[in-house]
Amino acid sequence: GENVEQHPSTLSVQEGDSAVIKCTYSDSASNYFPWYKQELGKRPQLIIDIRSNVGEKKDQRIAVTLNKTAKHFSLHITETQPEDSAVYFCAASRVNRDDKIIFGKGTRLHILP
Amino acid sequence: GAGVSQSPSNKVTEKGKDVELRCDPISGHTALYWYRQSLGQGLEFLIYFQGNSAPDKSGLPSDRFSAERTGGSVSTLTIQRTQQEDSAVYLCASSSLREQFFGPGTRLTVL
Repeated sequence: GENVEQHPSTLSVQEGDSAVIKCTYSDSASNYFPWYKQELGKRPQLIIDIRSNVGEKKDQRIAVTLNKTAKHFSLHITETQPEDSAVYFCAASRVNRDDKIIFGKGTRLHILP
Repeated sequence: GAGVSQSPSNKVTEKGKDVELRCDPISGHTALYWYRQSLGQGLEFLIYFQGNSAPDKSGLPSDRFSAERTGGSVSTLTIQRTQQEDSAVYLCASSSLREQFFGPGTRLTVL
C-alpha cells in the first residue's frame, strides 16, 4: 500500500522568511496530493492540493510542487507570518479509485518573531 | 448541516467503561474516516468506510475498538473496556472523491 514520508518533523523560520516542507510517496499510481493545516486546538483544514497532471500550483503565499518521477512533493510558504504557525500534513491518494487517503506524520512549523 | 459534526465534544469516562462516539458526515459523502490524535501527535488512521464496500479496519489498535456506519451516513466508533492510553481526540472526516472535511473531534479522557 501507499506510504507517505514527511520532513522535517519540526521547522522554525524567522517571520518573513520562506518555509519548505517535503513529502515522498511510494505508490506511483497516486494522483492526488493535498496539504492540510491544523492550528492549535482546531481540526485539520485543506489549504492547497495538486493533481498529478500538473507540476506546480500557487495560491497567494503558498505553493505546491510535484515531481512524479521522483515521487515527491513539497509545500512552499513565502513571506511567513505568525498565523502560519501550525502543524502541516501532506497526503496522497488515488482519487479516481476512491482509495484510502494516506497522511504524512506532520510538520510543526514555528514562525519566530 | 454545513459540515461534519461529532458528538459528544468531550467525554470523560472511567477505566473499564465502554464509550460510543458519533459522527455525522456531510450529506452525500461516500467516504468516512476515523482518526485518533494524541496531544502533539499526528493523525493515527483507525478505520475507513467507502460506499457499500467492506470497511478498511487495518488501523484499529485492538479488538476493543469497533465502528459501524449505518445507511451509508452516520457512523459510531465504540471503544470497549477503555484504558488510559485511549485518551485522545477522535476525529471523523468525510469526503467525496477529493477533499476531506474533518469534524471538530471528540476529546476522550479515561480516568
